[in-house]
Amino acid sequence: AQSVTQLDSQVPVFEEAPVELRCNYSSSVSVYLFWYVQYPNQGLQLLLKYLSGSTLVESINGFEAEFNKSQTSFHLRKPSVHISDTAEYFCAVSEKKLIFGAGTRLAVHP
Amino acid sequence: NAGVTQTPKFQVLKTGQSMTLQCAQDMNHNSMYWYRQDPGMGLRLIYYSASEGTTDKGEVPNGYNVSRLNKREFSLRLESAAPSQTSVYFCASSLNVPGTTVSDEQFFGPGTRLTVL
Repeated sequence: AQSVTQLDSQVPVFEEAPVELRCNYSSSVSVYLFWYVQYPNQGLQLLLKYLSGSTLVESINGFEAEFNKSQTSFHLRKPSVHISDTAEYFCAVSEKKLIFGAGTRLAVHP
Repeated sequence: NAGVTQTPKFQVLKTGQSMTLQCAQDMNHNSMYWYRQDPGMGLRLIYYSASEGTTDKGEVPNGYNVSRLNKREFSLRLESAAPSQTSVYFCASSLNVPGTTVSDEQFFGPGTRLTVL
């Protein structure tokens, strides 16, 4: 069965610093990979996804994630975070259904 | 275009009471899902409906039932609520063609916060 491990439950960071949120998955077959973001008291929204092609995918608000098949990882990065990036981030993997990780709470401090 | 709507937003139940959570989408999506979110556990799939007329169990179906009333609506019923069902419940939908690998974005509702005393 597929599983997703988000290695950090909380990541505190200062504004304008770089950040990396780590995600590893277990699967023996081709998968699709996603990052979703949840702002306080809201539902989840898709941030970016990897289906095929270039292993580096980008979102419209400066996040990027790199698919690494050999390491079964899909880490999320941003070179300079803003206060507004404070949220919970979920990595997910799919075959027939989405399997979510436990989430990483990103707290950006001024 | 409201996307995915859920009612109610908040609910408090006593142990043993029943209730139905309602979900509707106006995007003509094929697939609909019910998740529960608990601290430190991410989202866990309760039930899903790959297409109108079909429903399947997810990871944590015990204590729940669902109905795919039509293409737009997918309800979740708790027949006899228990404190372990205290959670935030999210409904989601996606365009997905049934039986294929999930590649389409899932759109989430705002959630229902349920407390069972």
